[in-house]
Amino acid sequence: SQELEQSPQSLIVQEGKNLTINCTSSKTLYGLYWYKQKYGEGLIFLMMLQKGGEEKSHEKITAKLDEKKQQSSLHITASQPSHAGIYLCGAGILYSGAGSYQLTFGKGTKLSVIP
Amino acid sequence: DVKVTQSSRYLVKRTGEKVFLECVQDMDHENMFWYRQDPGLGLRLIYFSYDVKMKEKGDIPEGYSVSREKKERFSLILESASTNQTSMYLCASSLGYRGEQFFGPGTRLTVL
Repeated sequence: SQELEQSPQSLIVQEGKNLTINCTSSKTLYGLYWYKQKYGEGLIFLMMLQKGGEEKSHEKITAKLDEKKQQSSLHITASQPSHAGIYLCGAGILYSGAGSYQLTFGKGTKLSVIP
Repeated sequence: DVKVTQSSRYLVKRTGEKVFLECVQDMDHENMFWYRQDPGLGLRLIYFSYDVKMKEKGDIPEGYSVSREKKERFSLILESASTNQTSMYLCASSLGYRGEQFFGPGTRLTVL
């Protein structure tokens, strides 16, 4: 089975600082999804990466999938209190029995931003 | 915008009760999923469905069943609730192959 390891498990940064969260897979990634979760709420989709070397940005958040497709990073520039939450990466797994697609998730990185 | 709604935000049940959690999506998605989320264990897939009346077991189906009679609705059933089923339950839906999953707000279930 595919396992995703996120690092760090938690992160406390001063407002305005940059930060990076990593997601490492035990197997080749065929689709990597980043989500954000506010405490006690559902997950909000951020970005999806599929090709080795792919990089996507939205506002101050940039996600990359490395060439070998076994690691992804999420970088936040000039962090703000609104960035606080739990960031989860999810890897796509093809369920051959139904031709459908599932996600397996990392355990998350808890980000706190101090004003 | 895709909207995924769940029947309750908070639910308290007693051991042995039959519990129904309902999820509705309004974007005609084929795929629907039920997860539970626990501290230290992360998000784990219970069941998913890729079409009406179709269901597939996820990683932790024991103690649960599901029903999908209509495309927009996916129900999770705890036949006889136990304390170890106290958890946050999250429903999601997605469109087609490799589509991103859209999540509902979650139901925090406590079984006493």
